[in-house]
Amino acid sequence: DTGVSQNPRHKITKRGQNVTFRCDPISEHNRLYWYRQTLGQGPEFLTYFQNEAQLEKSRLLSDRFSAERPKGSFSTLEIQRTEQGDSAMYLCASSLFLAGEVDTQYFGPGTRLTVL
Amino acid sequence: GQNIDQPTEMTATEGAIVQINCTYQTSGFNGLFWYQQHAGEAPTFLSYNVLDGLEEKGRFSSFLSRSKGYSYLLLKELQMKDSASYLCAVIDSNYQLIWGAGTKLIIKP
Repeated sequence: DTGVSQNPRHKITKRGQNVTFRCDPISEHNRLYWYRQTLGQGPEFLTYFQNEAQLEKSRLLSDRFSAERPKGSFSTLEIQRTEQGDSAMYLCASSLFLAGEVDTQYFGPGTRLTVL
Repeated sequence: GQNIDQPTEMTATEGAIVQINCTYQTSGFNGLFWYQQHAGEAPTFLSYNVLDGLEEKGRFSSFLSRSKGYSYLLLKELQMKDSASYLCAVIDSNYQLIWGAGTKLIIKP
């Protein structure tokens, strides 16, 4: 399978704990996006990388959230001191960005986080 | 502010045709995507429009009118597997993707 993969698929944690999610993009895709989605809503942008550089981070994103893409391949999203409001589906998407062409994002299956 | 409007839910009959509308007010426009999302799954790419007119792809077609800030997704010969949410997303002037809340499509036999 050469699609976007995410691990774990499900995570249940207690409030106050830290969690880390991993995303492996489609190989050779240079852009990687993180989104959060709650029931009945569209994806909410969190941050994105071009290669290893984090180019943008949502202003709505708390300091408890951090993401890395150290070698320009896989990425991790960490949430510190989780809160019940963090319960959501966390989606990763990747794309091959080429100037002047459509930047189509391909999504992974998501990690569903439940904070008790 | 940036806003994308889609109906929350629609119902259609197997074998019929359904049109899902999307209107947008964004800071600039650099293209519009339609994605399909089955319950509990990730969105999958359906179509992209940047110029006015109709793009046809099998049973699915997508239309864009930039002057009206309007798009629709047309699904023909509906099948039960088409039951899903359909998300409209617009690329704004900063090349950010702005997402609608999605339209839940229910197909009845």
